[in-house]
This record gives sequence, structure tokens and C-alpha cells, in this order.
Amino acid sequence: AQSVTQLDSHVSVSEGTPVLLRCNYSSSYSPSLFWYVQHPNKGLQLLLKYTSAATLVKGINGFEAEFKKSETSFHLTKPSAHMSDAAEYFCVVSDRVGTYKYIFGTGTRLKVLA
Amino acid sequence: DADVTQTPRNRITKTGKRIMLECSQTKGHDRMYWYRQDPGLGLRLIYYSFDVKDINKGEISDGYSVSRQAQAKFSLSLESAIPNQTALYFCATSDVGDLNEQFFGPGTRLTVL
Repeated sequence: AQSVTQLDSHVSVSEGTPVLLRCNYSSSYSPSLFWYVQHPNKGLQLLLKYTSAATLVKGINGFEAEFKKSETSFHLTKPSAHMSDAAEYFCVVSDRVGTYKYIFGTGTRLKVLA
Repeated sequence: DADVTQTPRNRITKTGKRIMLECSQTKGHDRMYWYRQDPGLGLRLIYYSFDVKDINKGEISDGYSVSRQAQAKFSLSLESAIPNQTALYFCATSDVGDLNEQFFGPGTRLTVL
């Protein structure tokens, strides 16, 4: 069975400092992994996706994530936070066989302090 | 124009009323999904459809029903709304393929009084 755990429900960083949002997954098969962002009162926007072509995945707005199979992790990072990064972030796992359903993490709310 | 649209965007209703939320897409995708979002719980799958004749229950289908009227349209109904169905509802679509990236609509905020 698939599952995904976002280890922090809230993260606060100062503007200009690095961002780390942690995600661990469990999957029976080689998974697809995604990070989505949801700004206040908005829908979900795809930040990046893991396709198995490369373990370090670059996304939009300077975000990247590294797939680590041995640690079953897919942590999201950004070198320097911007005020506009304040939002909720969701890690998602999907199997590549069977139903292809998305399993969402419970979300991490990122606060960026001036 | 948005690829995935949802109507209405906001709805306030009373307990016991029947409500329909509609989703349309212009992406030409076969697969469509309905989720609900509750604070602290992420998004949970209500129903999904892999084509017009294929509809499946998700993890929280009780109290909901769906209709896939066409490839482009997927409606979610609450037969008799109750307050704990107050949530943000999202429709999503995806194409056939092993990556299965999903594309989300803007959401419908439903309040049941």
C-alpha cells in the first residue's frame, strides 16, 4: 500500500534563508512523486515531478527535490526563500501500475518572515 | 481559458439539500477525479473515472455520487448534504500514461449549514 508522510505541518523561515520541506513515502512499486503548492484561496499548482530519469528534480520558482530510494524520501528545497513562497505544500505519491491514484500528504504550511 | 473548470466556485446550502458540483475539462483527458480538502488532512479521493463507462469509489465515497456525462464532464452530487461535508472540493484530470500527472481545477468551496 502507498502512503506519504510530510514530517512537518508548519515550517517558518526568514526571507533569504533556505527552505526544507520533508516528505517520506511508502510504495510497493517504483513510484511517481510530485510536489504541489497551494497559495491562499487558490487551486493546486504542480511544482515538480519525479519521472525516474534523474534523482535530482528541478521545478518552478527555484524549487528542487531529490529522490532518495534508500531513505524513501523526496524532500523539497529552495536555496533562498521569498515572501511569495508562503503557501501550503503537498507531497504526492502515485504508483506507476494499477490504479495510478494519487495519495496526498497532509500538507506543510510554509511561513516566510520578513 | 482554464483547462479544468468547476462550477459553482462557492456554494452555501442547508442540511438535507441536494447539491451538484460540476467539472468540465478541455484537455481531452480520459481520467477524471473528485477530491475533498479539509484542513490538516490534505486531499482525499472521493470518486474517480478512467473513462465514461468506468467509475470507481475512492476512499471517502459515502454520501456522494458521481456522473460522467461525457469525456469532458464529471459531476459530483451530495444527495442530502450534511454539515461535515463542508469542505473545499477539487476536480482533476489526467492522461493515460505511467506518469499520471493530474491537473486540478480551481476548487469549489461548499458550506453546509
